[in-house]
Amino acid sequence: DTEVTQTPKHLVMGMTNKKSLKCEQHMGHRAMYWYKQKAKKPPELMFVYSYEKLSINESVPSRFSPECPNSSLLNLHLHALQPEDSALYLCASSGPGQGGYGYTFGSGTRLTVV
Amino acid sequence: DAKTTQPNSMESNEEEPVHLPCNHSTISGTDYIHWYRQLPSQGPEYVIHGLTSNVNNRMASLAIAEDRKSSTLILHRATLRDAAVYYCILSPGNQFYFGTGTSLTVIP
Repeated sequence: DTEVTQTPKHLVMGMTNKKSLKCEQHMGHRAMYWYKQKAKKPPELMFVYSYEKLSINESVPSRFSPECPNSSLLNLHLHALQPEDSALYLCASSGPGQGGYGYTFGSGTRLTVV
Repeated sequence: DAKTTQPNSMESNEEEPVHLPCNHSTISGTDYIHWYRQLPSQGPEYVIHGLTSNVNNRMASLAIAEDRKSSTLILHRATLRDAAVYYCILSPGNQFYFGTGTSLTVIP
């Protein structure tokens, strides 16, 4: 299995809702990432997990709460989001290999906050 | 985070070679150079990477300048399916910070 699977593919939520994004990989990668991508912009790094521990938080607001329950699964819990949080949320994983760390990205969750 | 500079957009005719440039004058000795591309409504996908020497794979070639301050991604025969945003990324370890990328248009 060489994929990163993200669910759901699309999500519409109100500003008072609580929802979660899910990301799964079975490549044995021990680093996992969340990125946020606005339309026509490059992906922006949000969080990095290394060996199930949060190692980087790029000053992301607390309404985004990441969780890494095990080495294959990464969640992003969403609460009290704003319309400007609407974006494509990408998950990625990486593992050590010859020539540096290569990333595998999922197809993303398209989030709309109404 | 290490910075890269790429042209915002480029055009190529179908079945012709495409050379996508990237400047990375602040590269450090341990930074790998990665190229990813992103098709519409998809996540970025790996194209190629290298450290010092030129690299070839089934998708593309990567030419790295001798001083490593620039690199060029070469698509040998562009197809319509190659239309995408191409990102040049320096990775000091396991953190990827994307630059603005080059949007490639392939003209039939």
